[in-house]
Amino acid sequence: DGGITQSPKYLFRKEGQNVTLSCEQNLNHDAMYWYRQDPGQGLRLIYYSQIVNDFQKGDIAEGYSVSREKKESFPLTVTSAQKNPTAFYLCASSITGLATGELFFGEGSRLTVL
Amino acid sequence: QKEVEQDPGPLSVPEGAIVSLNCTYSNSAFQYFMWYRQYSRKGPELLMYTYSSGNKEDGRFTAQVDKSSKYISLFIRDSQPSDSATYLCAMGGAQKLVFGQGTRLTINP
Repeated sequence: DGGITQSPKYLFRKEGQNVTLSCEQNLNHDAMYWYRQDPGQGLRLIYYSQIVNDFQKGDIAEGYSVSREKKESFPLTVTSAQKNPTAFYLCASSITGLATGELFFGEGSRLTVL
Repeated sequence: QKEVEQDPGPLSVPEGAIVSLNCTYSNSAFQYFMWYRQYSRKGPELLMYTYSSGNKEDGRFTAQVDKSSKYISLFIRDSQPSDSATYLCAMGGAQKLVFGQGTRLTINP
């Protein structure tokens, strides 16, 4: 069954700690994305990658980092520099580029900072 | 002014009603128009996809795009309790994809 797997579903972090969210896809898609969802704000793009070993900043990249060493994997690290990290994080992939909008999403990871 | 405006609701209607959800936008470069459905604590799933202006129908769902008015709509006929979810509009073009805030919809049995 093809899809996107995000882990963990729930994560608690103390202030000052870095955490890494995992995203794996078996859809053979070239493009992958990370979004942040906050109540009343829709989805905001953090980082995206169109091919392996290349990625670009989205609208709210500060305090986050990513890597794309394999086509299937696009992990997101939330660093201690992110001032307000509590949010729902969504990973997505697509066959075509960002603007065409046909994204497949994972089930999300909810991060809470204690 | 936001590029995409969507009324967050919440919207509550009885089962069987026709539901109308709407978004407006300001960027003329948008050519791809989508509606995503998101159930509670899940990721969004693509529900309807339209390129440029016009209507598209899929079962009980109809998507309309009016580029002259910069206005898109999603209609749900014979609404069911299983349609209760948050509906997000999204618009793409000029190398960007912008999501609306989402409208929370509840269908009451």
